[in-house]
Amino acid sequence: AQSVTQLGSHVSVSEGALVLLRCNYSSSVPPYLFWYVQYPNQGLQLLLKYTSAATLVKGINGFEAEFKKSETSFHLTKPSAHMSDAAEYFCAVSAGGTSYGKLTFGQGTILTVHP
Amino acid sequence: EADIYQTPRYLVIGTGKKITLECSQTMGHDKMYWYQQDPGMELHLIHYSYGVNSTEKGDLSSESTVSRIRTEHFPLTLESARPSHTSQYLCASSDETSGITGTDTQYFGPGTRLTVL
Repeated sequence: AQSVTQLGSHVSVSEGALVLLRCNYSSSVPPYLFWYVQYPNQGLQLLLKYTSAATLVKGINGFEAEFKKSETSFHLTKPSAHMSDAAEYFCAVSAGGTSYGKLTFGQGTILTVHP
Repeated sequence: EADIYQTPRYLVIGTGKKITLECSQTMGHDKMYWYQQDPGMELHLIHYSYGVNSTEKGDLSSESTVSRIRTEHFPLTLESARPSHTSQYLCASSDETSGITGTDTQYFGPGTRLTVL
């Protein structure tokens, strides 16, 4: 079975500051990991995903995440926050080849960006 | 940009009514999913389908039912709505373009926010 824990349901940063959203996972098989973003009144959109290639994954809008097996983590970062980054972010895990595409999501982190 | 549509976007309905939430995608994806999302909570998978005439229940028990008669269409039905069904329902689809099982990118519709009075 898989699970995802996102540390901090709310994160607030100033515009231009570093964004760090934390995600830890649990999986009985080598996982594939995903970050999705949800803007108000919209569906989720893929930011990036780890599929066992490079451990540092670059995504859209300047976001990146690093897979650390020893820490079972997949934290999302962005060097400089922009007002348009304000949204809810979800980390998700799939159980590799046994998942058939199904995802288990974390509870989400709401990112607020202050001017 | 993904082409997956959900109607209605908002629905307020009385207890006991039958409702159908529509979901359609134009990408030809074989896999489709329904999630339930409450404010501040994670998405819970309630139904999924791997193709026409294939439907499975997800991790969260739901009184809703689904059908998959056509590849592009995956409607969700509640025979008798109750206040406990009040939630946001998100539909998604995916395809295994990488050839590696489990690495699918899921494309989400905008969701239907259901309120049962």
